[in-house]
This record gives sequence, structure tokens and C-alpha cells, in this order.
Amino acid sequence: EDQVTQSPEALRLQEGESSSLNCSYTVSGLRGLFWYRQDPGKGPEFLFTLYSAGEEKEKERLKATLTKKESFLHITAPKPEDSATYLCAVQAVITGGGNKLTFGTGTQLKVEL
Amino acid sequence: GAGVSQTPSNKVTEKGKYVELRCDPISGHTALYWYRQSLGQGPEFLIYFQGTGAADDSGLPNDRFFAVRPEGSVSTLKIQRTERGDSAVYLCASSPGPGRSYEQYFGPGTRLTVT
Repeated sequence: EDQVTQSPEALRLQEGESSSLNCSYTVSGLRGLFWYRQDPGKGPEFLFTLYSAGEEKEKERLKATLTKKESFLHITAPKPEDSATYLCAVQAVITGGGNKLTFGTGTQLKVEL
Repeated sequence: GAGVSQTPSNKVTEKGKYVELRCDPISGHTALYWYRQSLGQGPEFLIYFQGTGAADDSGLPNDRFFAVRPEGSVSTLKIQRTERGDSAVYLCASSPGPGRSYEQYFGPGTRLTVT
């Protein structure tokens, strides 16, 4: 069974204080690892897809990296508007084309002035 | 362009009643997914449609839950004899489809409360 574990559960940062969120996963065969941002009362917003170990992607203050066992979401010089829950999900390669995402429980990030 | 839309945004129903939740995917997306999210948890997969057919319904918790997508676009999630444990946010997502992109784009969700 595919599993995703995210840590920490909650993170409080001062504005400008860089940090990383962790996503550990086990999957039978990884098709892709996905990062989403979710604001309260809204649906998850797509950020990145990573397909193979060593891959990195960047968007503004966010950089996602992938190894064979985990992914990191690095936040450089965060701002209060980066406050949200960040969700990690995996999609397995399944014979017959199953495409479901298996999510972790998320990291709740709060960035303070 | 228009994203995934879901209606209603909120639904309050009494235990034992029947409810329907609607999802309008992004135009041109052939793949459609339903997930359920409880407070403090990540979304949990329910069912996946490729075109009009349910390609994977392994996440439906029991036979009270059913979903359709008759014309390959709009989908309806149907819940019979609702129970208090069905209370959650029901999320819909769409994707361009196999061979194009696996990224899933989510709607705002329908918050279902069963009293």
C-alpha cells in the first residue's frame, strides 16, 4: 500500500527565515510526486510535479527536490502570504492506468512578521 | 481560463437523506477524480473517471456512494442514506488525461454536513 508521511505537522517561521518541509513516501512504482498548497476553505492548488530522483523544480520562493525515498519543499525567505497547508501526494505506476493520488496529512505553515 | 467548479459549496442534510454533489471539470480534461477530505487530513481518493467510464472506484467506502459522468464532462457524486460520518469536504479534480499530463487540478470543494 502506498504511504506518504509529512513532517513537521506544523511549522511557525519568522518572515525571511528559510526552512524545509519533508515528505517521505513508499510506493510500488513512482509515476510522480506532487506538491500542493491549500488555503483554509479552498481546494488544493497545484505547485509541482517531480518524476525522478534528482529532479528539482522552482517557483518564486519555493523549490521542490526528490530522492528515491523523500521529497523536500524548500522555502526561501518566506513571506506571510506563504502561510498555508502544504500537501504532498504520490501517484503510482499501476497496470491498467490507475491514476489516484495518495496524500499525506500536510504541513501547516505559519509565517509571521 | 475557468477552473474546476463544484456545486453546491455547502450542503447541510439530515441523517438518512439522499444528496447529489456536482462537478464541472476544466474544459477538455478527460480524466475526473473525486476525493474526500476530513478535518486535518489529506484528501482521500474515492473514484476516477476516464471519459464516461469509472476506471477505478476502489476508494468508494460502501454501496451508498455512487458517481456518474454520463457525457464525459460533468460528474455527479450521489450519496444515499447519509450518515453523520459522511460529513467532510468532497473535492473534485480533473486532469488532461493519460499520455498528456498527470497533474490534477482541484475545485473548491463541497462541504457536506450531515446532522
